[in-house]
Amino acid sequence: DQQVKQNSPSLSVQEGRISILNCDYTNSMFDYFLWYKKYPAEGPTFLISISSIKDKNEDGRFTVFLNKSAKHLSLHIVPSQPGDSAVYFCAAMDAGNMLTFGGGTRLMVKP
Amino acid sequence: NAGVTQTPKFRILKIGQSMTLQCTQDMNHNYMYWYRQDPGMGLKLIYYSVGAGITDKGEVPNGYNVSRSTTEDFPLRLELAAPSQTSVYFCAISGQGNQPQHFGDGTRLSIL
Repeated sequence: DQQVKQNSPSLSVQEGRISILNCDYTNSMFDYFLWYKKYPAEGPTFLISISSIKDKNEDGRFTVFLNKSAKHLSLHIVPSQPGDSAVYFCAAMDAGNMLTFGGGTRLMVKP
Repeated sequence: NAGVTQTPKFRILKIGQSMTLQCTQDMNHNYMYWYRQDPGMGLKLIYYSVGAGITDKGEVPNGYNVSRSTTEDFPLRLELAAPSQTSVYFCAISGQGNQPQHFGDGTRLSIL
């Protein structure tokens, strides 16, 4: 049973618009959440994270929102750029510091 | 991805063969991890290590072995390759267990 789910396998957005990537989790013991970005033939690269004691964390064009009651987090990219085209993975960390990954969402930003 | 080097980048094995995937880091991090990523799926943890001489099983350890004799190296061994082990393998490191992990560029392994 998947504890971390990214229900949208792909997302297409116009350059300059907002990209919203979603992630749901089932384990209420997760206390730290991360987003990774992955280009083809490369390893995942850490993008942004959020602790369970916060509901928002912002870093430049990237903002992560956490709704603990809904067990839902989202990554907002504003404005979206063609270089943002990649696969984005949501990951959740438990008290044992182990990461559980979602299946990924492929973002395509069209010029 | 600077700091984590994985070799080889690609490999084709026959069923029943064995091989070792190498992972070396130059950041002196204590924590090292091995993941596999199957097509359309997220990464699944195979084994991890919190320091030299210490290793532990992750979510999918069957068919694999690891060792951690030094801080720098964390090799992953497949003893009897099976088609189900066809995947992309990623090694990752972190300074502390609760810090973001940094990944190597992966080894793409096909078993035919």
